[in-house]
Amino acid sequence: EPEVTQTPSHQVTQMGQEVILRCVPISNHLYFYWYRQILGQKVEFLVSFYNNEISEKSEIFDDQFSVERPDGSNFTLKIRSTKLEDSAMYFCASSVTGELFFGEGSRLTVL
Amino acid sequence: KNEVEQSPQNLTAQEGEFITINCSYSVGISALHWLQQHPGGGIVSLFMLSSGKKKHGRLIATINIQEKHSSLHITASHPRDSAVYICAVKSRTSYDKVIFGPGTSLSVIP
Repeated sequence: EPEVTQTPSHQVTQMGQEVILRCVPISNHLYFYWYRQILGQKVEFLVSFYNNEISEKSEIFDDQFSVERPDGSNFTLKIRSTKLEDSAMYFCASSVTGELFFGEGSRLTVL
Repeated sequence: KNEVEQSPQNLTAQEGEFITINCSYSVGISALHWLQQHPGGGIVSLFMLSSGKKKHGRLIATINIQEKHSSLHITASHPRDSAVYICAVKSRTSYDKVIFGPGTSLSVIP
């Protein structure tokens, strides 16, 4: 069964460092998303991506965040200069009909 | 006030019991999702619905658009159903943004 894959599963980084989280969506899906879940809190929408551009972003998704689909298969989330409060689980999801298919998540720990 | 609320927050059930988790929302929506988050953190989509009722195996999801309310039912619950169940809505005023509820933590005891 096709699935969304995310790497790395866990990354530890120092505050101020750049981090790239990678996702491989399901191959025929057209819509791609990043979500964040801070430990013990609810899942939050970050950004959606369609037709090689951002279609919607939340207030959380400020200038330190960026997304791209560099090669037609990978979908990446870059955090330019990480802060302690960026520590969270980051989920990628993809969709073709509206139903969301999630990856297993990438846990980011900022020290 | 949260735009999506769920009840109960936590639920413990004996194996075999019928379980109901409720979701209420305050915004106009185009679709509602029920998701299951495993203890390891992964999220699986259970249902996406915009009206009526859907059934998959032992799971049933209903939605009442007029009352802005949805329920997830689990029949003949099993310990493997232990997880966090999350209601999430796609707002009509937003193109893609999904608003998540706080989740209901279910524990099914053998």
